[in-house]
Amino acid sequence: GAVVSQHPSRVICKSGTSVKIECRSLDFQATTMFWYRQFPKQSLMLMATSNEGSKATYEQGVEKDKFLINHASLTLSTLTVTSAHPEDSSFYICSARSQQDYNEQFFGPGTRLTVL
Amino acid sequence: GQNIDQPTEMTATEGAIVQINCTYQTSGFNGLFWYQQHAGEAPTFLSYNVLDGLEEKGRFSSFLSRSKGYSYLLLKELQMKDSASYLCAPMDSNYQLIWGAGTKLIIKP
Repeated sequence: GAVVSQHPSRVICKSGTSVKIECRSLDFQATTMFWYRQFPKQSLMLMATSNEGSKATYEQGVEKDKFLINHASLTLSTLTVTSAHPEDSSFYICSARSQQDYNEQFFGPGTRLTVL
Repeated sequence: GQNIDQPTEMTATEGAIVQINCTYQTSGFNGLFWYQQHAGEAPTFLSYNVLDGLEEKGRFSSFLSRSKGYSYLLLKELQMKDSASYLCAPMDSNYQLIWGAGTKLIIKP
């Protein structure tokens, strides 16, 4: 199956700093990438949908100025958590959808963010 | 609205069979996915059903009834490594996956 990577896998940062998370589709072109957040023992929550070359579509309640998403190429999307605070500590997961198979999403391994 | 209903937690014995049920309501329907998620990891794909009926893949099978808004995941010959959360995720008319909280499956020796 298709492979999606995320970097970094874990990050610990101080409150007020910004953190960038990369999501890459390694062996296919992803026209659409999704960013999710998951708190312990809760369901995946879609934060935003990112289409290559256009602005991301954010879900209700997600601050677009705080969670900056860039999808500059068909294989890379980035999520930047700006001015991170302890309540932003969570598991961030990206998924990618290929041009060929619109129905299937391939998940990255996730990034564990801890804000001190 | 859109919602998913799965049991929160189930317990089964190693070597046994377990069925995890899921009922759903979505705006439009483009198939239903089952994912497995171990603690601290991202979900991994198990199965996809778009037509009514049973899809079998090794120890795992998934069933769909579109008219009833119902699916189940059947796990046979349970192994300790099957202890995980199982997520039922239908896809709506916008090709977005709708997520519930999943079912935590605990396997006992």
